[in-house]
Amino acid sequence: QVQLQESGPGLVKPSQTLSLTCTVSGGSISTDSYYWSWIRQPAGKGLEWIGRIYTSGSTDYNPSLKSRVTISVDTSKNQFSLKLSSVTAADTAVYYCARDQVALTGTLDSWGQGTLVTVSS
Amino acid sequence: DIQMTQSPSSLSASVGDRVTITCRASQTISVYLNWYQQQPGKAPKLLIHVATGLQSGVPSRFRGSGSGTDFTLTISSLQPEDFATYYCQQTYSRPYTFGQGTKLEI
Repeated sequence: QVQLQESGPGLVKPSQTLSLTCTVSGGSISTDSYYWSWIRQPAGKGLEWIGRIYTSGSTDYNPSLKSRVTISVDTSKNQFSLKLSSVTAADTAVYYCARDQVALTGTLDSWGQGTLVTVSS
Repeated sequence: DIQMTQSPSSLSASVGDRVTITCRASQTISVYLNWYQQQPGKAPKLLIHVATGLQSGVPSRFRGSGSGTDFTLTISSLQPEDFATYYCQQTYSRPYTFGQGTKLEI
């Protein structure tokens, strides 16, 4: 059974770049059956889809974040990553990585446990 | 973006009750609607896909229905572990958007 695990700094200064990695275990990230996604959730609030990447490297981003987001994949390490630039306090949230089914595009069937990122000086 | 609106925002119920949560899309999304359950401090868990499909391993007391703009999640007999927050999500078009959540409380 696939497992996903987020990692990265829990504290980022305003205007800097947030960087997170998701390590996939129990399955290959190179499969053509899934996209690999990032979602975030501010404390006490709802879920926001950030974007996703396919094994080929093709990406889809939320237009509201597109100018600041980069998602990349490292198939040799079975990892994918999120970079969010020019962060502000509004980017403080729990960040989740998740698996997204190609056959049911957008359907997130496996999630990491989430990692809290706080933007503060 | 497609806006998803859930009602109610919170709901009090008891073990054994039947409850229904509603999700409305700002435009038609066919059947491209998923439901997730989130326990406090945990990641969301997929319950229902494409409006009515029960995700593997999810108990049959969870049932999804609807199409177009109006959808419902029904839990037929609440169990203690069902008290959580529920989110709908449209996958009709990107960016994929979620409802604001419905908190199911005892």
